Amino acid sequence: DTGVSQDPRHKITKRGQNVTFRCDPISEHNRLYWYRQTLGQGPEFLTYFQNEAQLEKSRLLSDRFSAERPKGSFSTLEIQRTEQGDSAMYLCASSLQGAGGYTFGSGTRLTVV
Amino acid sequence: GESVGLHLPTLSVQEGDNSIINCAYSNSASDYFIWYKQESGKGPQFIIDIRSNMDKRQGQRVTVLLNKTVKHLSLQIAATQPGDSAVYFCAEAGADNQGGKLIFGQGTELSVKP
Repeated sequence: DTGVSQDPRHKITKRGQNVTFRCDPISEHNRLYWYRQTLGQGPEFLTYFQNEAQLEKSRLLSDRFSAERPKGSFSTLEIQRTEQGDSAMYLCASSLQGAGGYTFGSGTRLTVV
Repeated sequence: GESVGLHLPTLSVQEGDNSIINCAYSNSASDYFIWYKQESGKGPQFIIDIRSNMDKRQGQRVTVLLNKTVKHLSLQIAATQPGDSAVYFCAEAGADNQGGKLIFGQGTELSVKP
């Protein structure tokens, strides 16, 4: 296992388009987290899954954002009708319940033009 | 609300000197803390962690100190090297039975002068 993988690394999209990002966590980790990070700031929590269940969503996650983890393994984050304010680094992390081991992926850099 | 913050946004040190990066947290119930290093264009990289039942933990060239009385966390880097230049974040983990999500502070940018 090579850690947490995110795809794509970079995405440039026009305002109003939909985008989807993928995260593959460490295989034995049952928790998966999505964060958003803007320049000069720390990552901000968006949502997390325990196995396939989405158990918490931040109020930062507007109705245009949706995340899934259908089989409790990889996860996708979709942003509909993108806005310039969505431009950020989207980070995925995974951990093992009760044991921590939080590991982050390299992120997906989204630029909305 | 709960927050994790850093005292110094930037720190410049000479190569070979020791670095100290500080962090304050507000949730006295937090029991697990992590320091991350983030280089430009990359995700946060785990450096060292500490649980609230400890006040000091050492790794290779790094030491984390936890003062629960004043809710303060620090990261000490010995013999700082140019490769240590990055932004450093402390993070506070929420209760594991509530998902254990990490709450990050703003970060401190460490610049190492050769």
